[in-house]
Amino acid sequence: AQSVTQLDSQVPVFEEAPVELRCNYSSSVSVYLFWYVQYPNQGLQLLLKYLSGSTLVESINGFEAEFNKSQTSFHLRKPSVHISDTAEYFCAVSDQDSFQKLVFGTGTRLLVSP
Amino acid sequence: GAVVSQHPSWVICKSGTSVKIECRSLDFQATTMFWYRQFPKQSLMLMATSNEGSKATYEQGVEKDKFLINHASLTLSTLTVTSAHPEDSSFYICSASSVLFTDTQYFGPGTRLTVL
Repeated sequence: AQSVTQLDSQVPVFEEAPVELRCNYSSSVSVYLFWYVQYPNQGLQLLLKYLSGSTLVESINGFEAEFNKSQTSFHLRKPSVHISDTAEYFCAVSDQDSFQKLVFGTGTRLLVSP
Repeated sequence: GAVVSQHPSWVICKSGTSVKIECRSLDFQATTMFWYRQFPKQSLMLMATSNEGSKATYEQGVEKDKFLINHASLTLSTLTVTSAHPEDSSFYICSASSVLFTDTQYFGPGTRLTVL
């Protein structure tokens, strides 16, 4: 069985500062990894995913995450955040055999202030 | 992008009554739909997976007679909470995937259920 740990429940940061949201996973098999974002009063939206290939994946709005198999991590980073990035971010994992069965972390609330 | 809606967005009911929540894929055919439950400040927990035209597969610990799931068409799945009790109060979220993008789930906005 898989598990996901998001150690930071909340990350406050100033606008235009860099940010890293941490995600570590546990699994005995090969995995797929995902980051979802939830804006207030909205459903979860897929931000980016790692399925195979390059370990560095990017989203269209400037976020990136790197799959590190040796450290079992998939941290999310952005070099310069905007106020509009304020949201809840969820890391999720699935194993490659039952890939539709997502296991989520507890989420990290990113608070961007001016 | 793929859009999933849920109705209602919130519902309040009396203990002992049943509540039905709808999940619709608006612009794609959802061959598989998922139902999650989210408690405050906790992660989403998968309750069940349903494929169109088949019986739902429930996760361990989820009472299938209490949480009835129907996936009768490629665009609609329903979750019925039967004989609801206050401990069933939660945020229920559905998601859907398609044969065109089986590795990605698209999520609905969720339904807040409060049982008095």
